[in-house]
Amino acid sequence: AQSVTQLGSHVSVSEGALVLLRCNYSSSVPPYLFWYVQYPNQGLQLLLKYTSAATLVKGINGFEAEFKKSETSFHLTKPSAHMSDAAEYFCAVTSGGSNYKLTFGKGTLLTVNP
Amino acid sequence: DTAVSQTPKYLVTQMGNDKSIKCEQNLGHDTMYWYKQDSKKFLKIMFSYNNKELIINETVPNRFSPKSPDKAHLNLHINSLELGDSAVYFCASSQGTREQPQHFGDGTRLSIL
Repeated sequence: AQSVTQLGSHVSVSEGALVLLRCNYSSSVPPYLFWYVQYPNQGLQLLLKYTSAATLVKGINGFEAEFKKSETSFHLTKPSAHMSDAAEYFCAVTSGGSNYKLTFGKGTLLTVNP
Repeated sequence: DTAVSQTPKYLVTQMGNDKSIKCEQNLGHDTMYWYKQDSKKFLKIMFSYNNKELIINETVPNRFSPKSPDKAHLNLHINSLELGDSAVYFCASSQGTREQPQHFGDGTRLSIL
């Protein structure tokens, strides 16, 4: 079985501040991990993915995430928040079996204050 | 050139009606999905097809019936709509294996009156 826990349903930062969105996963086999962003009334857009290569993954819009097996974590960071980063962020995992099931966390709403 | 397109974008209907949502992808992917996003933004997979074969069928009422006429299309038909079916339904596609990211459509917002 696989699962994802996103700590903090709502994170608020000031423009220019560090963004840190937390994600912990549970998987019985090596996981593949993804971060998606959802802007209001839109679909999900892939930010970045970890698929067993480099543990520090760089994505679009200046975001990056680090896979830490010992901590079962895949936290998303961005050095300096922009107003345009305000959105809902989802961490997701696929692992094991022959299907391609993507299990999502409950999401973290990021607000950026001017 | 929309990669994953869903129609309609909004669907407002009454309880008991039957409705369909269509999805098409032009990415050449071989796997397509339906997800349901509830009012709390929680996303849960409903179905997945790989090369037109059903490979994921989560615990979904049998009022929901997916159909994949070809690899580029995956439709969702819902019979006897209930209030609890109100949600945003997302279609997605990927190329096979589990490490490949899924590409999502913009969603269909279904509202049951």
